Order: sequence, then structure tokens, then C-alpha cells
Amino acid sequence: AQKVTQAQTEISVVEKEDVTLDCVYETRDTTYYLFWYKQPPSGELVFLIRRNSFDEQNEISGRYSWNFQKSTSSFNFTITASQVVDSAVYFCALTRGVYGSSNTGKLIFGQGTTLQVKP
Amino acid sequence: AAGVIQSPRHLIKEKRETATLKCYPIPRHDTVYWYQQGPGQDPQFLISFYEKMQSDKGSIPDRFSAQQFSDYHSELNMSSLELGDSALYFCASSPLTGTPNTGELFFGEGSRLTVL
Repeated sequence: AQKVTQAQTEISVVEKEDVTLDCVYETRDTTYYLFWYKQPPSGELVFLIRRNSFDEQNEISGRYSWNFQKSTSSFNFTITASQVVDSAVYFCALTRGVYGSSNTGKLIFGQGTTLQVKP
Repeated sequence: AAGVIQSPRHLIKEKRETATLKCYPIPRHDTVYWYQQGPGQDPQFLISFYEKMQSDKGSIPDRFSAQQFSDYHSELNMSSLELGDSALYFCASSPLTGTPNTGELFFGEGSRLTVL
């Protein structure tokens, strides 16, 4: 069975602080994809990153960085120098990565972490 | 670039009424997924379609049905609405046919259903 756990329900930081959102996953698949989505108060799901199970390279995109460690089944997300606009719910998600499979869009989401960045 | 289009964006219904949500995938995407997100919850997979056939089913109530049409758009029909059906409903699409699975998935902006 697949499962995603985001143990942090809510995090509150002051602007310009760095913050790390944790994500731990469980899967028996050898090929899978991990995602992070941002959901602002307006409700839409904003895609942030997709990483396949064979690529453990860390990634940096501006103030965002991701640390993928298969050894600990974790895919953590760090925001550097946080801003008020970063306030949102952040979801980590997992899907299977079978070639040609029609269930690869069946994402298993974590419970989400609500990030509040105060001015 | 074209995105996934969902309509209506907002819908208010009474209990026991019926609601229909529509989803227009990105052109040349042949797979559609529906998700339901209750207040304060994470999105839950409902159902998916590939080439107009149901491909997978999640925690979708029997009161709900869905289909994918020849132009690949999909409709989610919800009958005998209950208060607990109030949620944000997301549609997502992905390209599948003839492509290696890259895990690409594109979400629409969601349809917010309120049942009174």
C-alpha cells in the first residue's frame, strides 16, 4: 500500500526565516513519482515539482529546494527566506510510475502542511 | 498554453438535488482523473478514464457517476446530494498514449460545490 505522511500540520514562521516541510512516503513500487503542490487560499493546486524514484539529485528553484532521500523515504521541501506570499497549504503526493499504466495519475496525497508566514 | 478547464467554478445546490461538473482536458490528453477535496482535507481520488473507458476507481460514492466523451471531455454526475458532498472537485489530465510515463499531471482550478 502507498502512503504519504506530512507530520507537520501547521507551521508558523516570520518572514525571511527558512522553513522545511517534511514528507515521508511508503511504497513497494520501485518506480514511482513524488510531487509537491501548493494550495493557496484561492483553492487551486499549484504544481511545484515532480521527481521520479531514480533521480535522487536535490533540486533548487529560486528560494525553493527539495531533498529526496530514498534511504529514509523522505522528500522534504525547504523554502529559503520565506515571504508572506508563501502562506498556503502544501501537499506532498506519490503516484506509481508504471509505463503505460492508466493509474499513474492516481495520486496519494499527504494530509498537507499549512504554512503561515507572518510579516 | 491551454490548461484543464473545469465548469462551473462554483455551484450551490440543495440536499437531494443533482449536480453535474464538467472537465475539458488539455488537447491531446486522453486520460482524465477526478478528485474530491473536503474542507481541511487532502484531495481524494475518485475515478479516472482512459480513452473513454473507466480505468480506475477510488472512493467514489454509488450516487456519483462519471464518463468520458468522444472529445475526451468528462462529466461527473452527482445525485441525491448530501451535505457531506460539499467540497472542491478537481479534474486532472495527463498524456498517456504512446508516451513513456513521465508522471505529468495537470490539474484544473477546481469546481467548488456547496450543498445546503
